Amino acid sequence: GQNIDQPTEMTATEGAIVQINCTYQTSGFNGLFWYQQHAGEAPTFLSYNVLDGLEEKGRFSSFLSRSKGYSYLLLKELQMKDSASYLCSSMDSNYQLIWGAGTKLIIKP
Amino acid sequence: GAVVSQHPSRVICKSGTSVKIECRSLDFQATTMFWYRQFPKQSLMLMATSNEGSKATYEQGVEKDKFLINHASLTLSTLTVTSAHPEDSSFYICSAREHSGGDTGELFFGEGSRLTVL
Repeated sequence: GQNIDQPTEMTATEGAIVQINCTYQTSGFNGLFWYQQHAGEAPTFLSYNVLDGLEEKGRFSSFLSRSKGYSYLLLKELQMKDSASYLCSSMDSNYQLIWGAGTKLIIKP
Repeated sequence: GAVVSQHPSRVICKSGTSVKIECRSLDFQATTMFWYRQFPKQSLMLMATSNEGSKATYEQGVEKDKFLINHASLTLSTLTVTSAHPEDSSFYICSAREHSGGDTGELFFGEGSRLTVL
């Protein structure tokens, strides 16, 4: 079956670095997405990886290893506003997104 | 980036009534739109895939007669919750994918609609 696994909750300190891991199993693969969702709001797009390696975009970076079915989202110089849920999603062969349950990230001063 | 507008953002209705939620792609054509439901502290649950000019494809366990989806144009899809009950209270989110030559498959989300059924 299709499955996305990511930690339920993580806590980090303002100014630090945090890595949110995601493993996926989907029928076919057409890319791995990361979305940020603040409570009560719709998700917003963060990154898309379809090739192996690291994609850097400002304070956020995303890594993909297709052979391992593994991705991570790296957040640097954490700010209080980064407190949110981070959703990992894999696109399958039918171009449908399979969603993880999300990782709630708590930032402490 | 592309913009998807969803309306209304909040709606309160009485049990037994029907509620319509609109999802519009403002600056691109969306042949496919997706409707999600999200309960508090839970992830998105895909309800159905809305295809312009044809019937929606519903996920297993989603009642077609209760959640009516219409995708009459390339920029508008509607979700109607019929004969709403308190258990239908949830956060409903639509999304659309912008298709282009370099399609990354990125989904753009509407702002979401919080439905409360009394």
